[in-house]
Amino acid sequence: GQNIDQPTEMTATEGAIVQINCTYQTSGFNGLFWYQQHAGEAPTFLSYNVLDGLEEKGRFSSFLSRSKGYSYLLLKELQMKDSASYLCAVDQRTGANNLFFGTGTRLTVIP
Amino acid sequence: GAGVSQSPSNKVTEKGKDVELRCDPISGHTALYWYRQSLGQGLEFLIYFQGNSAPDKSGLPSDRFSAERTGGSVSTLTIQRTQQEDSAVYLCASPLREESYNEQFFGPGTRLTVL
Repeated sequence: GQNIDQPTEMTATEGAIVQINCTYQTSGFNGLFWYQQHAGEAPTFLSYNVLDGLEEKGRFSSFLSRSKGYSYLLLKELQMKDSASYLCAVDQRTGANNLFFGTGTRLTVIP
Repeated sequence: GAGVSQSPSNKVTEKGKDVELRCDPISGHTALYWYRQSLGQGLEFLIYFQGNSAPDKSGLPSDRFSAERTGGSVSTLTIQRTQQEDSAVYLCASPLREESYNEQFFGPGTRLTVL
């Protein structure tokens, strides 16, 4: 079967670091995406990993281990505006190049 | 246009009625995706267009759902005889760069409520 697991909710303090984990079992794998979605808004692209390792982009970093079916999104120097849902998605490359999304992790940043 | 636009932004309909949702993707981009997001759920792939053809319709939940695209641009998603479980946000996405579908740019979505 296909599955993407993420924690449902997380809370972290402004200025801190938070790591959001994602594990996946999918029929195919051609890369893993992280999207940010603020309440009532459309998802916006954050990162894409296809090779093992860490990709850093400003305050956000994303890590992938294909052998372990595992990824994480690391957010540093948290700001209140980072409160949002973070969606892990796998590109299954089943012919449609479509993304299989997890249900997302709702992050709340507190002062 | 520069981004993906969708209309209407909100649609309230009665059970049993048909609805049409529209997506206007990034200008000139051949790929277009439809997703559905139910309350508290992740995004669910519905259908994918390459040009005017849909190589993969496997995500459409039932034969009440159909989609078309004409002129390689605007796409419409039609839901016939709507049911309450069809209530969701319907999102359209287009790859940010034609040569790389990796970054899918989402439209603002249409929030459908079936009473």
